[in-house]
Amino acid sequence: DADVTQTPRNRITKTGKRIMLECSQTKGHDRMYWYRQDPGLGLRLIYYSFDVKDINKGEISDGYSVSRQAQAKFSLSLESAIPNQTALYFCATSDLWTDYGYTFGSGTRLTVV
Amino acid sequence: KQEVTQIPAALSVPEGENLVLNCSFTDSAIYNLQWFRQDPGKGLTSLLLIQSSQREQTSGRLNASLDKSSGRSTLYIAASQPGDSATYLCAVTGGGADGLTFGKGTHLIIQP
Repeated sequence: DADVTQTPRNRITKTGKRIMLECSQTKGHDRMYWYRQDPGLGLRLIYYSFDVKDINKGEISDGYSVSRQAQAKFSLSLESAIPNQTALYFCATSDLWTDYGYTFGSGTRLTVV
Repeated sequence: KQEVTQIPAALSVPEGENLVLNCSFTDSAIYNLQWFRQDPGKGLTSLLLIQSSQREQTSGRLNASLDKSSGRSTLYIAASQPGDSATYLCAVTGGGADGLTFGKGTHLIIQP
């Protein structure tokens, strides 16, 4: 099994719909992150969490919300999806107490029509 | 604000050549620097992680160096192969930002 698992892998949704992307990890890391990747813009940080009770906004949090249900689970929600949220979304983890190296999931390709 | 720049944006070379990918960052107060590989439409695979106190890391045909004071890193790929074709991303932690700050990548094509 992958260390960081994202579901779904692909999703097409309509404008205005609420959608949730899920991430789970088996690495035992405290820190979890959500990034989006757009052609020409690179990867940008949406939200991050240092533990279950800690949630922080990243560079581009507008239109998104997150929930850290457990140390191993971090979900990203789009409350009312819009077409410019079409992107490749990645979940990542890191560990403060080792080497800060990041592990990424395989990504969720989201298309909003 | 930390900014990461990768040069060149794209590179196409014949198989067998040695090549160097460049990464620069504006704030030298980083914790570490990480090089990733991304195949089209796929996730990120970590290649090398260099701690701020280290000068270089090696894995197989890959060697990454870090000059923290000048804000530069290079990824050296020896004896390139068609399977090395991918986008290579450089990212740093620290320097006033939470999480990783990424460059936009170098799109590498190795011609058979």
